[in-house]
This record gives sequence, structure tokens and C-alpha cells, in this order.
Amino acid sequence: NAGVTQTPKFQVLKTGQSMTLQCAQDMNHEYMSWYRQDPGMGLRLIHYSVGAGITDQGEVPNGYNVSRSTTEDFPLRLLSAAPSQTSVYFCASSHLGGNTEAFFGQGTRLTVV
Amino acid sequence: GENVEQHPSTLSVQEGDSAVIKCTYSDSASNYFPWYKQELGKRPQLIIDIRSNVGEKKDQRIAVTLNKTAKHFSLHITETQPEDSAVYFCAASMVYSGNTPLVFGKGTRLSVIA
Repeated sequence: NAGVTQTPKFQVLKTGQSMTLQCAQDMNHEYMSWYRQDPGMGLRLIHYSVGAGITDQGEVPNGYNVSRSTTEDFPLRLLSAAPSQTSVYFCASSHLGGNTEAFFGQGTRLTVV
Repeated sequence: GENVEQHPSTLSVQEGDSAVIKCTYSDSASNYFPWYKQELGKRPQLIIDIRSNVGEKKDQRIAVTLNKTAKHFSLHITETQPEDSAVYFCAASMVYSGNTPLVFGKGTRLSVIA
């Protein structure tokens, strides 16, 4: 099992560019989510999904889109990158419900200049 | 929605001493409380969790206590070692209809001084 795989590990974008952060899991988890981690702010939920075709917003969804066409993949799209989106992004997955262990990807460090 | 407060934000202890990190949550419906450890440059990993039907849980040098009435839970690390140095996050979630986002505290940076 690879667990949760995120790509890329590092990315530099110019303001206004768009990109997609990839997340894939091979544990047949129904629940997937995206968090951003900023110094002193902890892990803040961006979007989450409880299954293919179902997504919902978290605490900080503005500027991000998601879709869930398969159980395995949950990409995060930045529509028009802004310096405020400079952060470390983590994808996580678990069996349905937040009351089971969430497995995190290795993270994507994004810098917007 | 749920709000989780975590204290302290930084904590330094001498090797061999105990460390305690405290969290409070706002939603009385929350019933699952995990703790994650994040080493520098690594991903968060679950170290222990507790559910609302239990008041305390131990795993070797780590223990978690839960007070549902006061809506707070704590992580206790005994006999600290340098490898315990990391950022620790508490989290809370509500179980209803199966879709329950984890809400995290802001983290505690623990430094164990040899």
C-alpha cells in the first residue's frame, strides 16, 4: 500500500496562474479532505468529500475547487493563485466519518510569488 | 461549527519530565478526539485517540483524558525523550450521518531538552 500520495512536493507559481494539486489513496477510503497549514494557524480544512460525486466546503474554501470522480482521487484546484495561498497543503483520507484514523499525504509546499 | 482551542502554543521540558497539552472544544456533540504528532518537515501522524464513552486512554508513555462535562481533553507524555520533540495537534469531530470533518487546534510545539 502506498497510502496517500500527493504530487507535486514543491511548487512555485506566479500570481494569477492556476494549478492542480493531486491526491490519490489506495486504501479504499470513502472520506478525503484537503487542509492547509500555515505557521501558528494549525491545520485548516479547505474542502472534503464523503464519496465519489460528493464534496463540501470547509473553513477556508475561497479560491479553491475540488471534484471527486473516483474513490481514489481528490484533486485540489487553485483557480487564480494569490500570495495568500502560499502554504503547505495536506491531503488526508479515512474511512467514512471523522471518527477513524486520518492518513495524511506527505504535503505540497506551494509558494505564490 | 466546532471550534478547538489548544494550549500552550509552545512547551519546553527537560528530558525525563512530563508534558501536558490541553484542548477545549465548543460543540457538545463531538465524540471523537484524536491527537496527531508532526515532526519537522513530515506529515501529521495519529498517536492516540479517545472516544466520548471513555474518560482516559493510555499507550505506554502517552495518555489522553477527556472531560465531557467541561468539554476539554488533554495529552500527557511521561518520561519525555528528545524524539518526543515535535508539533502536536488535537482535533475533534462529530459523528452524525457519517460525514464528520476533523477540526484541529492550532498546535503545540514541544521541545525536549536533553
